[in-house]
Parts: sequence; structure tokens; C-alpha cells
Amino acid sequence: GAGVSQSPSNKVTEKGKDVELRCDPISGHTALYWYRQSLGQGLEFLIYFQGNSAPDKSGLPSDRFSAERTGGSVSTLTIQRTQQEDSAVYLCASSPKDRGPEAFFGQGTRLTVV
Amino acid sequence: AQSVTQLDSHVSVSEGTPVLLRCNYSSSYSPSLFWYVQHPNKGLQLLLKYTSAATLVKGINGFEAEFKKSETSFHLTKPSAHMSDAAEYFCVVSRGSQGNLIFGKGTKLSVKP
Repeated sequence: GAGVSQSPSNKVTEKGKDVELRCDPISGHTALYWYRQSLGQGLEFLIYFQGNSAPDKSGLPSDRFSAERTGGSVSTLTIQRTQQEDSAVYLCASSPKDRGPEAFFGQGTRLTVV
Repeated sequence: AQSVTQLDSHVSVSEGTPVLLRCNYSSSYSPSLFWYVQHPNKGLQLLLKYTSAATLVKGINGFEAEFKKSETSFHLTKPSAHMSDAAEYFCVVSRGSQGNLIFGKGTKLSVKP
């Protein structure tokens, strides 16, 4: 079956522009995560959606970052007024309710801010 | 709060020798613990998971990990390294069966012929 799909796979944007990154989770998965992976920094948690509960936004680094999950499925991560330090690989993962927090990751979106 | 510390940023072994990647965790709750692997230019793949059942957990590709509550450790081992094991490995903790996943900073495993 299809895995977690992220688009675009690569995005180059100018400093100050807004970007939207999309994640299509595995069908039926109730949990969805966004992470950021910078060179040599490991994975940084950004935001976590679980079913109809309020999302855990505790990892968002600034108010320029926001995320939505529509209809319990597709999620969009928006970065406003991008800065060079936002350059990273943004990873999305989803998890089925009945298997706890075991997460299945997408291939990521590589964002480069120039 | 949950946190995880991977004690080595880089481990180098010879092919055919044992692998030990060390991980210590901190959790206020009964944790779920995971090891993920990331091969160069590939996505993250789950190696194994501990969710309060057997303390010795077997995963894919011959890897296993032992949950030791008294030592707050979840070290990853493999009896004999293969060249294809060269990758970055992440130890991950979660609050029980719910909640977000907290990743360690990763350990890069190199395997010499």
C-alpha cells in the first residue's frame, strides 16, 4: 500500500517568502507528526496531531510556523517570511491508533532558503 | 518530560564484529522506546520497539535492544556487523502509547571491511 507522501520533495525559496509543505498520511492513521532535520542536528519535533484532540504545538520554533490537518487526513505545514535558518528537511510521519506511537515516515521535503 | 541521550555521535566497527549503540532515556511515565535507522538519502525506518512487554526486543536485520529500567537504558546491539548496516541510528522515546516522539541526536555507524 501507499506510504506517507510529502510534496514537494524539494523547494527552493527566497528569504521572506511564504512556503507550504504538504503531507498525505497513510489512510486510516489517526496520528500525524511533523519534524525538522537539520544537518548535524538530529530530528526536531515540531507539531503532533492525534485524532480530534487539540494538536501539540509545543515544538514550533516561532509564530512564523503553523500547521493544519484537514478532515483528519492531509496536513499542511506553513512557514511565513522564511529565513535562511529555516533551511532543513521537513519530515512527516503518521501512526495508526492501534499500534501506539510507531510512526511511518515520508521521504521529506528539502527546503532551501536563499 | 521525556528525553533521550545517545551517548556516542559516531561508532566505527569492523565487519563481522559486534555493534553496540548506547541510549539512555528519561521519562516521567512508562515509556515506549524505539530505534529508527536512516540510510543515506533514504527515509527513516523502524528497527524495533519496546512497549512494556518483553524487555528484550528483537528487530529487523538481526538487531535487538534490551530495556533496563534500573539503568534507564535501551542499548541497541547486533552480534555481527554487515557493511549494509552503515547508517545513522536514532533512539526515540514516547510517553506510553500516546504522545509525540522525542528523538536522540543520532549515532552514525561506520562499518569497515
